Amino acid sequence: DAKTTQPPSMDCAEGRAANLPCNHSTISGNEYVYWYRQIHSQGPQYIIHGLKNNETNEMASLIITEDRKSSTLILPHATLRDTAVYYCIVNGGGADGLTFGKGTHLIIQP
Amino acid sequence: GAVVSQHPSWVICKSGTSVKIECRSLDFQATTMFWYRQFPKQSLMLMATSNEGSKATYEQGVEKDKFLINHASLTLSTLTVTSAHPEDSSFYICSAPLLGANVLTFGAGSRLTVL
Repeated sequence: DAKTTQPPSMDCAEGRAANLPCNHSTISGNEYVYWYRQIHSQGPQYIIHGLKNNETNEMASLIITEDRKSSTLILPHATLRDTAVYYCIVNGGGADGLTFGKGTHLIIQP
Repeated sequence: GAVVSQHPSWVICKSGTSVKIECRSLDFQATTMFWYRQFPKQSLMLMATSNEGSKATYEQGVEKDKFLINHASLTLSTLTVTSAHPEDSSFYICSAPLLGANVLTFGAGSRLTVL
C-alpha cells in the first residue's frame, strides 16, 4: 500500500468547515483514497472514498487533486461529535486489509 | 447498513488464561475478516486475515500459536488469545469487507485487560 502523510493534529471551530489534508505522492493508478475516523475507544468508521473524481456523501466531501498525489477531506459543518482521529489510507480496494498510519487528531472547539 | 458485532466489548482475565473474542457480520456474509490490535495512543495494527474454511494469514511478527483464529462460518470469526499475559492487554478490533462496496466495516472493538 502507498504511504500517506497527514498532520498529527488540527483544531477547528464548531460550525465551521474542517479541511483535513493528506499527501499520497506514491499512489498508484488503481489505488483508491479512503478516509476513516476513530472516535475515542470505538472501532473505526468509514467516511468516504474515491479514485479520481471528487466525491460527496452525507458525511463529507473528498477532493482529490488532478495528479492524485494529495487529497482533502471536508467536513462542511463540524460539530463536537466530529472530534476524532481521521485516517487517510490508500488501498487497491476489494478484500484487502487496510494499513493505518497515525492519522490526524481533529479537535472541534466549542 | 452493514454491521459487524464484537463480543465481549471488554474482558478482564488473569495471566495465563485464554480469552476468546467473537466477531460477527450481522446482515451480510464475510468470507474474509481482519483482526487488528491497538495499543494506547497508537494506531491500529493489522494482526491477521481470517479466511472462511481455511487457515488464517498472519502478519509478520504475530504469533499464530498465541493468537488462534477460527473462521468456521460466513458470519463468524473468533480470535483466541492463549495464555494471555499483561503485555497482551490491548484493544482488539475486527472488520469485514462489504462485498461490492470496496469498504471495510469495523466492529466496536474488544478491550482486553490481563492482570
